[in-house]
Amino acid sequence: ETGVTQTPRHLVMGMTNKKSLKCEQHLGHNAMYWYKQSAKKPLELMFVYSLEERVENNSVPSRFSPECPNSSHLFLHLHTLQPEDSALYLCASSQLLGGSGNTIYFGEGSWLTVV
Amino acid sequence: AQKITQTQPGMFVQEKEAVTLDCTYDTSDPSYGLFWYKQPSSGEMIFLIYQGSYDQQNATEGRYSLNFQKARKSANLVISASQLGDSAMYFCAMRAYSSASKIIFGSGTRLSIRP
Repeated sequence: ETGVTQTPRHLVMGMTNKKSLKCEQHLGHNAMYWYKQSAKKPLELMFVYSLEERVENNSVPSRFSPECPNSSHLFLHLHTLQPEDSALYLCASSQLLGGSGNTIYFGEGSWLTVV
Repeated sequence: AQKITQTQPGMFVQEKEAVTLDCTYDTSDPSYGLFWYKQPSSGEMIFLIYQGSYDQQNATEGRYSLNFQKARKSANLVISASQLGDSAMYFCAMRAYSSASKIIFGSGTRLSIRP
């Protein structure tokens, strides 16, 4: 059983839909992340939360809206997406935000297809 | 600027042989951590091994070892006695102390194990 769980695992949505991706970590960590992985592209960091505060937003379009209600849960709200937003979205967590030795643990990912 | 380079897009290895996956990195930060992750086709990014920049010994975790050559800025992953289940994408990653929230990834190496 993974320490970071993501739901749904697969999502197909139309460009006018609104949906959300959910992430829950059972590791007692204080930092959570959203990454995007597109075909043939390196992993892209989207958002970083530390103790429920957003500390990083890497120029992500406003059609992606993160929410971190507590240190165990992270959401990614999606609306009016484009087909090029189809990708694997990975949630991750780490004990702390800082420190070069802080390992990031990932969930299983949510495969998103925008039609 | 920080950078991770994986020069082997794909590798084929016979089962039970050892395999080395290459990774070079660039950072001006004296304190950093290096990570390797495995990503099977299911999508989950699985943490394999960690090496700190000040660690004197090369890291080992079961069949995985990290060949850390600091002067050459390389952090190759060695998998001993490869198994069919080792077939996956492998990513090298780095986290520098000065950019705490960012862990940057290489482009990955697809490893295929032949029976």
